Amino acid sequence: QKEVEQDPGPLSVPEGAIVSLNCTYSNSAFQYFMWYRQYSRKGPELLMYTYSSGNKEDGRFTAQVDKSSKYISLFIRDSQPSDSATYLCAMSPFGGQNFVFGPGTRLSVLP
Amino acid sequence: SQTIHQWPATLVQPVGSPLSLECTVEGTSNPNLYWYRQAAGRGLQLLFYSVGIGQISSEVPQNLSASRPQDRQFILSSKKLLLSDSGFYLCAWSSIGQGKVVREQYFGPGTRLTVT
Repeated sequence: QKEVEQDPGPLSVPEGAIVSLNCTYSNSAFQYFMWYRQYSRKGPELLMYTYSSGNKEDGRFTAQVDKSSKYISLFIRDSQPSDSATYLCAMSPFGGQNFVFGPGTRLSVLP
Repeated sequence: SQTIHQWPATLVQPVGSPLSLECTVEGTSNPNLYWYRQAAGRGLQLLFYSVGIGQISSEVPQNLSASRPQDRQFILSSKKLLLSDSGFYLCAWSSIGQGKVVREQYFGPGTRLTVT
């Protein structure tokens, strides 16, 4: 079992849809969770960073962490064609120096 | 604000040639620095990370090496490139919070390397 698993997609949705992107993990030591957006041929861009269970909202984006289920999600409301990208989840244990990344989910938002 | 630079943006090198990729960070001090490689359509592979000047940890045995000659400078090198070294190389930095806790990570724009 991989340490971090993520639906590979590709995921295609119509403009305006609510998108749900998910990651599961096996290491209960993970305490810090991040979501990145990566456009083609660009470096990943940090979208959300959280270290507690529950929801964190930033504009159209909501990050949800359920440590008991070892499950994190990123919700995108009112999705736009500009949201078309690959989304990566990442996590790190408390005191760790490294981050473990999921393989990414490719999202296409169709106009 | 913090900024991370990488150069060159693209590079085409023949097999057997040397490699030097440079990464610099501005606006922060004593960051953790990281080198990743991303093959086409695949996830991020951590190559090296550094918690301080001269301190390098290697995650994957290969013909690449890394050095950190200054606090905010990280260099990825190879003496002889292989075809399998082709990929998208990303440098990243993380700040260190209270209790030496690593905080969120930020990436540079990347270098696309093609070995021919």
